[in-house]
Amino acid sequence: GQQVQQSPASLVLQEGENAELQCNFSSTATQLQWFYQSPGGSLVSLLSNPSGTKHTGRLTSTTVTKERRSSLHISSSQTTDSGTYLCAIDRQGGRALIFGTGTTVSVSP
Amino acid sequence: EAAVTQSPRNKVAVTGGKVTLSCNQTNNHNNMYWYRQDTGHGLRLIHYSYGAGSTEKGDIPDGYKASRPSQENFSLILELATPSQTSVYFCAGQGACSDYTFGSGTRLLVI
Repeated sequence: GQQVQQSPASLVLQEGENAELQCNFSSTATQLQWFYQSPGGSLVSLLSNPSGTKHTGRLTSTTVTKERRSSLHISSSQTTDSGTYLCAIDRQGGRALIFGTGTTVSVSP
Repeated sequence: EAAVTQSPRNKVAVTGGKVTLSCNQTNNHNNMYWYRQDTGHGLRLIHYSYGAGSTEKGDIPDGYKASRPSQENFSLILELATPSQTSVYFCAGQGACSDYTFGSGTRLLVI
């Protein structure tokens, strides 16, 4: 079945450092979305990037569709960036998303 | 702004009991989803709906039923709860631009 694999599983940063999160997926995707889950559990959409490069604030996502991979770059990390970052692609045959298990980021001051 | 509201936030149920998790959305989303989140598995799709009156099975539907009586409400029903259904459950609505809005989640403990 479809799989979404994220790496690394966890990451520890000092405030101000940059980070690169990876997402690899097993099937072609017409949707590729990144989500942020806070330590309290709430989930919010960060950006949708099925191909190419997109920016929002200090986040940059680059997706190479043919190679079935996407990355999320966090620049100048802040303690408020701590949480789990989830990558998701569209589920074949339906409109739902298939999620990876996430990368947990911890930013210390 | 779109809002997806789940209730209850926390629930303790006994094995064999019936549990209903509720989800209400205020932005007229056609597509709604129920996921569960467990350590090591990420978010897994249980049921989804394309609109009032429709429900479809997701990837892990066994032991769950769904109900979409109206555009606004989408419920997840555990007829006979088991400890393996202890999890965090998320409801989500999907907008026209494939933007997703998640509820705050329901923590369910089945003892």
